Amino acid sequence: EVQLVESGGGLVQPGGSLRLSCAASGFTFSNYWLHWVRRVPGKGLVWVSHINSDGRITNYADSVRGRFTISRDNAKNTLYLQMNSLRAEDTAVYYCARSDDGLDSWGQGTLVTVSP
Amino acid sequence: DIVMTQSPDSLAVSLGERATINCKSSQSVLHNSNNKNRLAWYQQKPGQPPKLLIYWASTRESGVPDRFSGSGSGTDFSLTISSLQAEDVAVYYCHHYYSTPYTFGQGTKLEIK
Repeated sequence: EVQLVESGGGLVQPGGSLRLSCAASGFTFSNYWLHWVRRVPGKGLVWVSHINSDGRITNYADSVRGRFTISRDNAKNTLYLQMNSLRAEDTAVYYCARSDDGLDSWGQGTLVTVSP
Repeated sequence: DIVMTQSPDSLAVSLGERATINCKSSQSVLHNSNNKNRLAWYQQKPGQPPKLLIYWASTRESGVPDRFSGSGSGTDFSLTISSLQAEDVAVYYCHHYYSTPYTFGQGTKLEIK
C-alpha cells in the first residue's frame, strides 16, 4: 500500500523557517516525481512545487520561488520542503503527493501556521 | 500561468440526480506528444486529503465508481456524477498538469438538495 506521511509543521513567526518532511513507503520512491500542494484554510488547493525522480529538476509557484526549496533523499525515501522567510499567507495545510498521470497518492497533510 | 476557472462555485443536487461541474482553462492543455489533455479532477472531503478521480480528462482512476465521468478537450472540461449519492458530498477541483505552475480551479462545493 502506498503511504505518504508528512511531518514538520507547526507554529512559526513571520520571517521564520520550517522544514517539512514526507516519508514514503509501499512503492519504488526513486521512480516518481513528487509534489507539494497546500490548502489555505477556507480556500482551495494551490500547487507549490515539484521535483523529478532523481532530484535534478525542480519547479516552484511564483509565490514561493526564492523562499522555498524542494529536495529529496532517494536512499531514505523522503521528500523535503525547506521553507524560509515565512509569511502569514503561507499558513496552510501542506500535502505531499506522488504524480503518475495526475496526483494519484497524497499524504494526510501537515499544518503550518505563520503568526506572531 | 494557466488559469483554471470552475463553475458553479457551489451546487445542490437531489439524491439520484445528475451533477455536472465545469472547468475552463485559459489556454489549451492538450499535449502534442500524446494528443491527450493534461487535466485531472479531485474530490476532497472535510479532514481528508484530495482523492484523484479522473486523469487525462476522461480516464477514471482505479477504484472510482463508474458514476463519475470526465469529458472535454482543449480548454473546456466537465465532471459528471450520473446519480448523486450521499457520500459524494465534497469539494471538487480540476487541475492541469500541462506546464508549471500546475494550477487548480477554485473548487466547487457539492451538496445534497
